Amino acid sequence: GNSVTQMEGPVTLSEEAFLTINCTYTATGYPSLFWYVQYPGEGLQLLLKATKADDKGSNKGFEATYRKETTSFHLEKGSVQVSDSAVYFCALSARNYGGSQGNLIFGKGTKLSVKP
Amino acid sequence: ETGVTQTPRHLVMGMTNKKSLKCEQHLGHNAMYWYKQSAKKPLELMFVYNFKEQTENNSVPSRFSPECPNSSHLFLHLHTLQPEDSALYLCASSQDAGGGFAEQFFGPGTRLTVL
Repeated sequence: GNSVTQMEGPVTLSEEAFLTINCTYTATGYPSLFWYVQYPGEGLQLLLKATKADDKGSNKGFEATYRKETTSFHLEKGSVQVSDSAVYFCALSARNYGGSQGNLIFGKGTKLSVKP
Repeated sequence: ETGVTQTPRHLVMGMTNKKSLKCEQHLGHNAMYWYKQSAKKPLELMFVYNFKEQTENNSVPSRFSPECPNSSHLFLHLHTLQPEDSALYLCASSQDAGGGFAEQFFGPGTRLTVL
């Protein structure tokens, strides 16, 4: 079946450090891949997405590249800020055989804490 | 109000109580979702409604009963819950469900504690 595995947290970094959160997936069909972010006390927000192999999603300085050969979609940011402290979720949506897009399947989430 | 709102934000209930969670979206969307977020577990999809019709029930126990009276409102009726049902319940909406991917917009959630 379809599944998403992301690195266990929590991740604690100093401000301006480089961030990588690993995400790998298992899917049938042609999945689209996503990163969602959940700030404290809020719901999830879509951070970025990629819909086909080799696509790069980017937003707010975050990037992730859809790597079909390694079934990965790692999240990166060159210089994190205290305001980036949140829980990050990797997710996929696999296209059904009928061509319609399936529901979102989430990883367990990775909590990021950035210290000043 | 804008976006997706959920009430109450916090709820404590006994195992014999009956309560309801409410979700309202102000985005003109046609699909609404209930998710369960438990500690140390992936976000679990519970129900999907598309144009007020339930299109998915992800093997959810019958003590959870959803209701979608119109495309803007979604309820989750709770009765005889168990302590393991304590979690954050998230509501989301999207333009529609199925077809192409439609971004889901999430509410802030209801933190439920079952004593």
